[in-house]
Amino acid sequence: KQEVTQIPAALSVPEGENLVLNCSFTDSAIYNLQWFRQDPGKGLTSLLLIQSSQREQTSGRLNASLDKSSGRSTLYIAASQPGDSATYLCAVRGNTPLVFGKGTRLSVIA
Amino acid sequence: DAGVIQSPRHEVTEMGQEVTLRCKPISGHNSLFWYRQTMMRGLELLIYFNNNVPIDDSGMPEDRFSAKMPNASFSTLKIQPSEPRDSAVYFCASSLKVVSSDTQYFGPGTRLTVL
Repeated sequence: KQEVTQIPAALSVPEGENLVLNCSFTDSAIYNLQWFRQDPGKGLTSLLLIQSSQREQTSGRLNASLDKSSGRSTLYIAASQPGDSATYLCAVRGNTPLVFGKGTRLSVIA
Repeated sequence: DAGVIQSPRHEVTEMGQEVTLRCKPISGHNSLFWYRQTMMRGLELLIYFNNNVPIDDSGMPEDRFSAKMPNASFSTLKIQPSEPRDSAVYFCASSLKVVSSDTQYFGPGTRLTVL
């Protein structure tokens, strides 16, 4: 059974810092991995999707990497802003639809 | 497109009552997913449909939970009878395909409180 773990559970950084969020998964037989953002009281918004054959994806200040063999992914956020404050969830898709981690709650302090 | 629409946004009910949550997926999407989110367990898949047919309901916690998708534009999740431990945020999501590179689009969720 696929299990997804995200570390740390919470993170607080000053504005302008670069930061890395981590995601690990137990079964490397995946089709893709996605990073989502969830704002308080809201649904999830997809940020980046990495196919199993890809190593990384970039969107603006966000860069996600995937190392399928080691069961790890990272989400890099450059020059963090207070508007980046949210919970970030990692999810993997294998033979069943998405299995989610519990997320990292990020606070960017102005 | 208005995105995935869920109703109600908030529901407060008493233990033993029937609860019905509603979802309208994005037009043209043929897969629909129901999730439950709690602090303890995170986001869990309850059931998903492909072309209105339930594919996997192994995540449904018990017989008190049931889901239907009578047509491509509407789905319901029903809890009967409800219990306090059912309190959670329930999300509906839709996508073009079940297992593919297509991402899932989430609704805003229904926050359910069972007293």
